[in-house]
Amino acid sequence: QKEVEQNSGPLSVPEGAIASLNCTYSDRGSQSFFWYRQYSGKSPELIMSIYSNGDKEDGRFTAQLNKASQYVSLLIRDSQPSDSATYLCAVITVNFGNEKLTFGTGTRLTIIP
Amino acid sequence: EPEVTQTPSHQVTQMGQEVILRCVPISNHLYFYWYRQILGQKVEFLVSFYNNEISEKSEIFDDQFSVERPDGSNFTLKIRSTKLEDSAMYFCASTRRPLTQETQYFGPGTRLLVL
Repeated sequence: QKEVEQNSGPLSVPEGAIASLNCTYSDRGSQSFFWYRQYSGKSPELIMSIYSNGDKEDGRFTAQLNKASQYVSLLIRDSQPSDSATYLCAVITVNFGNEKLTFGTGTRLTIIP
Repeated sequence: EPEVTQTPSHQVTQMGQEVILRCVPISNHLYFYWYRQILGQKVEFLVSFYNNEISEKSEIFDDQFSVERPDGSNFTLKIRSTKLEDSAMYFCASTRRPLTQETQYFGPGTRLLVL
């Protein structure tokens, strides 16, 4: 079973601080990694994708990937109350050539004003 | 920007009844997916569909579930005899190319409540 693990939280961060979210995955062959944000009762919304080792920055968001350690992280700088949501780590897993997203349980993030 | 749409947004049904959840994928997309999320749990893959047939299905997708693309625009998920544990949010997604070549975007979801 190909798994994606996240700390479920809740993670509380003061407004303006850096929020750090972590994810590990079990399938060493995975090549594509995503962070989604999900507000309560809503569908997942893509924030970042990352495919290569290292950092990828997009505005206040930085995704980090370390394939050797099977580890993906998301940093949110200058956290805002609107960043309060559940953050889902997702990995493309392949089964006999068929691809799907496998999700972690999500980390609930609360930004404290 | 084109979006995946889903109807209804909410559905309440009695246990044992059939439900059909509808999705309109983005118009030039070829790969279609259903996921579900039980309240408080993770998003789980149900089924993928390409070239008018199922590509892959999870162990959740048993004989009570079926998918169809009846008219070239809609993509439906049918649950023949609903159970209490089918209560969940159901999300449709689509892509024009395989997932490894393109990002997957989700529809807004249908919240299904089985009583």
